[in-house]
Amino acid sequence: EAGVVQSPRYKIIEKKQPVAFWCNPISGHNTLYWYLQNLGQGPELLIRYENEEAVDDSQLPKDRFSAERLKGVDSTLKIQPAELGDSAVYLCASSPRWREEQFFGPGTRLTVL
Amino acid sequence: QQQVKQSPQSLIVQKGGIPIINCAYENTAFDYFPWYQQFPGKGPALLIAIRPDVSEKKEGRFTISFNKSAKQFSLHIMDSQPGDSATYFCAAVVQGAQKLVFGQGTRLTINP
Repeated sequence: EAGVVQSPRYKIIEKKQPVAFWCNPISGHNTLYWYLQNLGQGPELLIRYENEEAVDDSQLPKDRFSAERLKGVDSTLKIQPAELGDSAVYLCASSPRWREEQFFGPGTRLTVL
Repeated sequence: QQQVKQSPQSLIVQKGGIPIINCAYENTAFDYFPWYQQFPGKGPALLIAIRPDVSEKKEGRFTISFNKSAKQFSLHIMDSQPGDSATYFCAAVVQGAQKLVFGQGTRLTINP
C-alpha cells in the first residue's frame, strides 16, 4: 500500500513569495491533516479535513495560509506571502476516518530566505 | 493545559541499554496516549499507544508505563539497538476528538 505522498520535498524561496505544497493521502482515507513542525519540536495541527470539508482550521493563520481539498482526495496548502518564520517542515497525514490512526507523509521542508 | 511536556530533550545510550523517555500532562480529558518514532527525512510513525485504563503495555521491545494519578507516562526500549536511533515523540489525544498534541521530542542515539 502506497503511503502519503508529498511534494515538493524541499523548497527554498525568498520572503514575500508565495509557495504551495501538495499532498496525496492514502487511497480511501477520508480524513486529511496538515501539520507544521518547527525544528526540534513536535508537529502542530494546522487544519483537518473530513472529505472536502475543513472541520478544524482553528490553528491555521488565515491571513497568509490557505488550504483546499478538492474532490476529497488531494490537498494543497498555500502560503502567501511567506515570512522568515514560516521556515519549517510541513507534514501531511491521513487516516481512514476521524479518530483512527494517522499516517504521516515525509513532509516538505520549507526554507524562507 | 493542552501541553504535553517531554524529557529529556536528547539521550545517548549504549547498545543493549534501556533508554527511558518521560512525558507529563495536565489535561485530564486526554484519553489516548501514542508514541511516535521519526527518522530523519521521514514523517512520524505510530510506535505504540496506551489508554489510561491500563498501567502498562508492551509491544516487542517497546513498553509504555502509565501513571494516571501522576499524569505521567513513559516509553522504555528494551535491548536497544543502533537502528532505534531516532526522534521519539509522545502525544495525547483529547477525549472525543482526534487532535494529537505532541511533546517536544527526544533525540535518541544508541551507540554500537
